[in-house]
Amino acid sequence: GIQVEQSPPDLILQEGANSTLRCNFSDSVNNLQWFHQNPWGQLINLFYIPSGTKQNGRLSATTVATERYSLLYISSSQTTDSGVYFCAVYSGGGADGLTFGKGTHLIIQP
Amino acid sequence: IAGITQAPTSQILAAGRRMTLRCTQDMRHNAMYWYRQDLGLGLRLIHYSNTAGTTGKGEVPDGYSVSRANTDDFPLTLASAVPSQTSVYFCASARGFTDTQYFGPGTRLTVL
Repeated sequence: GIQVEQSPPDLILQEGANSTLRCNFSDSVNNLQWFHQNPWGQLINLFYIPSGTKQNGRLSATTVATERYSLLYISSSQTTDSGVYFCAVYSGGGADGLTFGKGTHLIIQP
Repeated sequence: IAGITQAPTSQILAAGRRMTLRCTQDMRHNAMYWYRQDLGLGLRLIHYSNTAGTTGKGEVPDGYSVSRANTDDFPLTLASAVPSQTSVYFCASARGFTDTQYFGPGTRLTVL
């Protein structure tokens, strides 16, 4: 099945810093989503982005489908941005669900 | 408030017992999913349903069963729980199987 790799696995930043999280996938995808899992465990959908660029406030995401990667940008980090960021893809073959990467654990220090 | 509810929030279960995790959505989504989340392994798909009356196996289906009698409900059953099924279980739904997935709050299950 499709492989999803995220980097870096861990990231510690000061409040106000910018960050870039990367997601590489091993095959073409029909669907790519970014999620934030907050410290209470809730999974929040950030972007549905199989290709192109989207922005939502301080967050933006770019997927280059032909090169099989996606980037999540966080600008002017706040402590509430802490948590785990997951990339998940649907490739269209096999089971009809998402394949998740192992996530990037982000800690924003005040 | 529209969304996905899961019950129970947490449960401690003796090995060998039968357990059903409940999931209900009120968004009239066609597709529903069950994932388990384990430290170091991320989230993995257990079972899915693209529409009421149909189900399919995901990456880790062994020891679990599901049913989809109607659009709103998608229960997950552990017929005879084992300690390796200790995990956090998330239910999700989507309008269609290629659309944005929305997740419930999760059920933390411990099997002793």
